[in-house]
Amino acid sequence: DVKVTQSSRYLVKRTGEKVFLECVQDMDHENMFWYRQDPGLGLRLIYFSYDVKMKEKGDIPEGYSVSREKKERFSLILESASTNQTSMYLCASNQGLAGSYEQYFGPGTRLTVT
Amino acid sequence: KQEVTQIPAALSVPEGENLVLNCSFTDSAIYNLQWFRQDPGKGLTSLLLIQSSQREQTSGRLNASLDKSSGRSTLYIAASQPGDSATYLCAVKGGGATNKLIFGTGTLLAVQP
Repeated sequence: DVKVTQSSRYLVKRTGEKVFLECVQDMDHENMFWYRQDPGLGLRLIYFSYDVKMKEKGDIPEGYSVSREKKERFSLILESASTNQTSMYLCASNQGLAGSYEQYFGPGTRLTVT
Repeated sequence: KQEVTQIPAALSVPEGENLVLNCSFTDSAIYNLQWFRQDPGKGLTSLLLIQSSQREQTSGRLNASLDKSSGRSTLYIAASQPGDSATYLCAVKGGGATNKLIFGTGTLLAVQP
């Protein structure tokens, strides 16, 4: 079974703090993704990575950065957290063509910025 | 630009009913379509993946169909149970090099005991 884990289920941070959200997958997937999910707006792609040290901006990258130093780990960084970044953050991965691009999600991190 | 729509936004049915959830997309040039389930406050669980060359996929009480030419997919749930209550989302992956999924906004299903 594919497993995607996220470092925290709930996180509360203050405005201006640097925040790290970590995601690990155990199936040697080449592609990893970060989304945020907000009521009425659905899932929006922040960044994705198709290989170690490779990344591409998604639809809403502003205010975020990412890091992929190892294949199994993909980190989302909020350089200076703001209240409008309060959201549910979801990590996902897929194996690309070899896995028919079937996407697997982690349990989510509910981030509150006060 | 691909747009994915799910109707209805919410559905309530009594236990035991068979039901159909709908997903429509505007650009038929898709690579595949995936159905997910999301419980409140949780991540998404993959239910079924249909490749563009396939017409349907089945898993247990779930059956998903795909009509690419008309831009439609349906998720059929047989003999619904209260445990099926969740939000159901569909997502399409475009053809070509893109790795992005385009998600619908989901259907919130409540199965009443």
